[in-house]
Amino acid sequence: AQSVAQPEDQVNVAEGNPLTVKCTYSVSGNPYLFWYVQYPNRGLQFLLKYITGDNLVKGSYGFEAEFNKSQTSFHLKKPSALVSDSALYFCAVRDRSSGSARQLTFGSGTQLTVLP
Amino acid sequence: DGGITQSPKYLFRKEGQNVTLSCEQNLNHDAMYWYRQDPGQGLRLIYYSQIVNDFQKGDIAEGYSVSREKKESFPLTVTSAQKNPTAFYLCASSMDGRTDTQYFGPGTRLTVL
Repeated sequence: AQSVAQPEDQVNVAEGNPLTVKCTYSVSGNPYLFWYVQYPNRGLQFLLKYITGDNLVKGSYGFEAEFNKSQTSFHLKKPSALVSDSALYFCAVRDRSSGSARQLTFGSGTQLTVLP
Repeated sequence: DGGITQSPKYLFRKEGQNVTLSCEQNLNHDAMYWYRQDPGQGLRLIYYSQIVNDFQKGDIAEGYSVSREKKESFPLTVTSAQKNPTAFYLCASSMDGRTDTQYFGPGTRLTVL
């Protein structure tokens, strides 16, 4: 079984400050990990993914995420937040050992609000 | 959202009516997916298809049906058997279903009156 948790429903940060959106996962094997962003009444946009290799993954719009196997975490980060970063963020996980296409599990989402 | 279109953007139906949501992609992706999004619950997989003329049930397939007659199209029918159909429906596709990133369409918001 696989699961992902986003422990914070809401994160508020001041513009220009660093932001972190937390994600922890559980898989029986090794994970593929993804971050998506959703603006109101829109589809999800892909930000970045971890497949293998470097633990620090860089993605779109200045976002990055750090894979930590010992803590089973994949937190999303950005050094300096923009008001336009305000959106709903989803973490997703797939167990590499799964042979089925369906095995992408999403977290419940974290609403990020960047205050001007 | 580029390359994946969903129509209509908003859909209203009376209770007891079947309704079909359209999903088309021009990315030449093999795999396609349907998700349902409800507030505070993230995305839940309804159906997926890895290849033309084949599809599999996801976690919440009851009350839904799909077809995959063409590579670029994966329509979803919400039947009268779906007890709570009001939701935001998202279609996605990926190059192959095992390792590649899923890319999403803009979504269809279905409201059943």
